[in-house]
Amino acid sequence: GAVVSQHPSRVICKSGTSVKIECRSLDFQATTMFWYRQFPKQSLMLMATSNEGSKATYEQGVEKDKFLINHASLTLSTLTVTSAHPEDSSFYICSASGDYNNSPLHFGNGTRLTVT
Amino acid sequence: GESVGLHLPTLSVQEGDNSIINCAYSNSASDYFIWYKQESGKGPQFIIDIRSNMDKRQGQRVTVLLNKTVKHLSLQIAATQPGDSAVYFCAAGYTGTASKLTFGTGTRLQVTL
Repeated sequence: GAVVSQHPSRVICKSGTSVKIECRSLDFQATTMFWYRQFPKQSLMLMATSNEGSKATYEQGVEKDKFLINHASLTLSTLTVTSAHPEDSSFYICSASGDYNNSPLHFGNGTRLTVT
Repeated sequence: GESVGLHLPTLSVQEGDNSIINCAYSNSASDYFIWYKQESGKGPQFIIDIRSNMDKRQGQRVTVLLNKTVKHLSLQIAATQPGDSAVYFCAAGYTGTASKLTFGTGTRLQVTL
């Protein structure tokens, strides 16, 4: 159980374009989803917390207008990287928990974004 | 704030031996800890978790030990196999606020034949 699906797994885009990444909880309802960013050989850094039906909560230093998060249903959250630049190239990973008081976070397999 | 660190960036272990990966955390208020395994190009995979009301928890071939006095936890892998080769992260947080997990820098486990 507790499968989190992320799509696409890889995406290449040109500078200035926008890219949408989807995160789905396949076998449970995720009231809260989280978006992380990971640079090569580094740890995961939390970008934002996505709550179903409300605005996302962004971590300090994360531009909310650049990284748009939408959590329209209990099984889907999207991250849109707007006006992408090469420095946005990274590994983006989502995670979800149905009941974060009692269950651990389960992660998607990540999206490798390359901005050319 | 919370900072979580690992003692060794790379650990090389012979197949069949036991592996011990260590992690230190700074915030004594942390009460929830998780170990994740991450293979190249994939997302972290949950291994085992432990809450602060416990000092030891066992899973299949894995054991997590928590020492709240010195703010240290470890992951022990018994009879390490080549498939265990990966980067292992510890994460610390608070019960009920799992979104605030802080991840350590990671330890790469290399299993040699």
